[in-house]
Amino acid sequence: NAGVMQNPRHLVRRRGQEARLRCSPVKGHSHVYWYRQLPEEGLKFMVYLQKENIIDESGMPKERFSAEFPKEGPSILRIQQVVRGDSAAYFCASSPARGTDTQYFGPGTRLTVL
Amino acid sequence: AQKVTQAQTEISVVEKEDVTLDCVYETRDTTYYLFWYKQPPSGELVFLIRRNSFDEQNEISGRYSWNFQKSTSSFNFTITASQVVDSAVYFCALSEVLSSGNTGKLIFGQGTTLQVKP
Repeated sequence: NAGVMQNPRHLVRRRGQEARLRCSPVKGHSHVYWYRQLPEEGLKFMVYLQKENIIDESGMPKERFSAEFPKEGPSILRIQQVVRGDSAAYFCASSPARGTDTQYFGPGTRLTVL
Repeated sequence: AQKVTQAQTEISVVEKEDVTLDCVYETRDTTYYLFWYKQPPSGELVFLIRRNSFDEQNEISGRYSWNFQKSTSSFNFTITASQVVDSAVYFCALSEVLSSGNTGKLIFGQGTTLQVKP
């Protein structure tokens, strides 16, 4: 009964480095959503992807952030040239092919930028 | 614009007390979904319940119950006979339904931190 997997669980980067966060959805799920939880803030939507397509990226910062969900393999959230303000918990969620079902969340990746 | 408000930032109760977490939402959509998630101290997000906008029946699951009232745009969550293990941050969320029929992004409230003391 594998749920949403995220790795790494904790990631430390220095300012200016790149961060790559991986998300493997529940088997059979083809919809992936990324959310960010900044300290003392709630959860904010970043991007919604289906296999090989970005459906909604209205919550993604315009620069340095990108996301993909290839035909094979996990979804990747990539942050280039990280800054201290990127330190947060990043959660991935997945839902089944119909997409009208519940979003199930992974354990999150805690990113710390030194 | 869609919005979810959880006015209670923190609630502290003693074990065995009942507690209600409030959630008020705003949306212009006629079809939408409402959710509650729990975030325990370990940090993961645990799904508790999903309710669609056409189903106003209240739901009970063990010590948990939910009261959905469309007339007041509220979806409140009650824990009966609270336990220490209920201590967590609880998030209420609203999702839109896209023209494709798929569920879009979740809009979360700010969360309510519940502390249950022994």
